[in-house]
Amino acid sequence: EVQLVESGGGLGQPGRSLRLSCAASGFTFDDYAMHWVRQVPGKGLEWVAAITWDGAKTGYADSVKGRFAISRDNAKNYLFLQMNSLRAEDTALYFCAKDSRHCNGDNCYHYFDSWGRGIPVTVSS
Amino acid sequence: DIQMTQSPSSLPASVGDRVTITCRASQGIYNYLNWYQQKPGKAPELLISAASKLQDGVPSRFSGSGFGTDFTLTISSLQSEDFATYFCQQSYRTPPYNFGQGTKLEIK
Repeated sequence: EVQLVESGGGLGQPGRSLRLSCAASGFTFDDYAMHWVRQVPGKGLEWVAAITWDGAKTGYADSVKGRFAISRDNAKNYLFLQMNSLRAEDTALYFCAKDSRHCNGDNCYHYFDSWGRGIPVTVSS
Repeated sequence: DIQMTQSPSSLPASVGDRVTITCRASQGIYNYLNWYQQKPGKAPELLISAASKLQDGVPSRFSGSGFGTDFTLTISSLQSEDFATYFCQQSYRTPPYNFGQGTKLEIK
């Protein structure tokens, strides 16, 4: 059974840093790209960052580019999100999510097939 | 970036109703469209990928259709456990993997 368990959230001060972790189990971690997605309570889903299976490529939402960094440790089956220069608008529930895909000929369709339960982050002085 | 717009934002319905949720992409995305269901206090769950491919274990009363810019999620006969919020997501031009703003299916 796939399990994704986030940790490291909590209260962060504006301008300071927090580091989120996601422990993965139940699948071959280094076969899959991974994502972070966040959600302000009662609001929609915002994709935050992605990393390829080998960590070679990363991508970020414009709202976090230059401040957040996604990384992974395939030896220990962990995904990370380093959150720097925190802002009040970064307050949200942060989910890690497993990327998967199915291919039909040359067309490969990506989707997020497993999610953690989320970890709350509050940015406030 | 491709923007995703869902309608309606909220949808009152009753058990047994046939309901349809619409998702529109700001540009053509072929069929690179996913649907997720989220219940209060829970993580989202994948229902449908590639616009119409039902995930294993998802009841057959759920179906998806569409191509290009316009997509629909249909629940043929609403059950009590289906009251939730539904999100569409494009996976054509990524990153970003933008989601729609969500449609909350509410008890009428």
